[in-house]
Amino acid sequence: ILNVEQSPQSLHVQEGDSTNFTCSFPSSNFYALHWYRWETAKSPEALFVMTLNGDEKKKGRISATLNTKEGYSYLYIKGSQPEDSATYLCASQTNTNAGKSTFGDGTTLTVKP
Amino acid sequence: GAGVSQSPSNKVTEKGKDVELRCDPISGHTALYWYRQSLGQGLEFLIYFQGNSAPDKSGLPSDRFSAERTGGSVSTLTIQRTQQEDSAVYLCASSLVVAAFNNEQFFGPGTRLTVL
Repeated sequence: ILNVEQSPQSLHVQEGDSTNFTCSFPSSNFYALHWYRWETAKSPEALFVMTLNGDEKKKGRISATLNTKEGYSYLYIKGSQPEDSATYLCASQTNTNAGKSTFGDGTTLTVKP
Repeated sequence: GAGVSQSPSNKVTEKGKDVELRCDPISGHTALYWYRQSLGQGLEFLIYFQGNSAPDKSGLPSDRFSAERTGGSVSTLTIQRTQQEDSAVYLCASSLVVAAFNNEQFFGPGTRLTVL
């Protein structure tokens, strides 16, 4: 993996469904992996920053895991609600250039009531 | 407290004109970042500042783009001789520091630039 890739590109689920999406990133020179939530007409908002292999973070119904050896992170949303509808971005930092965050194209989640 | 602010929120300009976009970071944040999102694309890194220095300018698309930061605070992104492909939302973010395990970036509302 040379770039940050996210899948799926978009996802439509019903209210109450649980869902997850993937972020793949270069595993070499890994420094940190960030997840952001970007609602329409708003600014991206930080959800998690993860740095250690095996990290798990949780905020309410949203959680994330990190595998730095194979270069992937999963974001899980349990019991999706319409207000969870947003684009979820991940961004990778390397220890060779920590100031440069490389973002994936995002996964756009739509939760139908 | 005040978040990251950007001005103008919208800018429509004619091809060939110069534009200047402004970012006011959160007070005390030493790191500042510029990104852009073109239609249908993801967030593209442009440049970051640590204090007033820009260690990495590799993301600037061409020599028509320049950025500066003064007093460790306000930053301006200047685009000279704008082209239609410069049309995008330009986002600014700031963080306490660059290289730290918790350098959460706080984003501004963006400037939507339209080049006619």
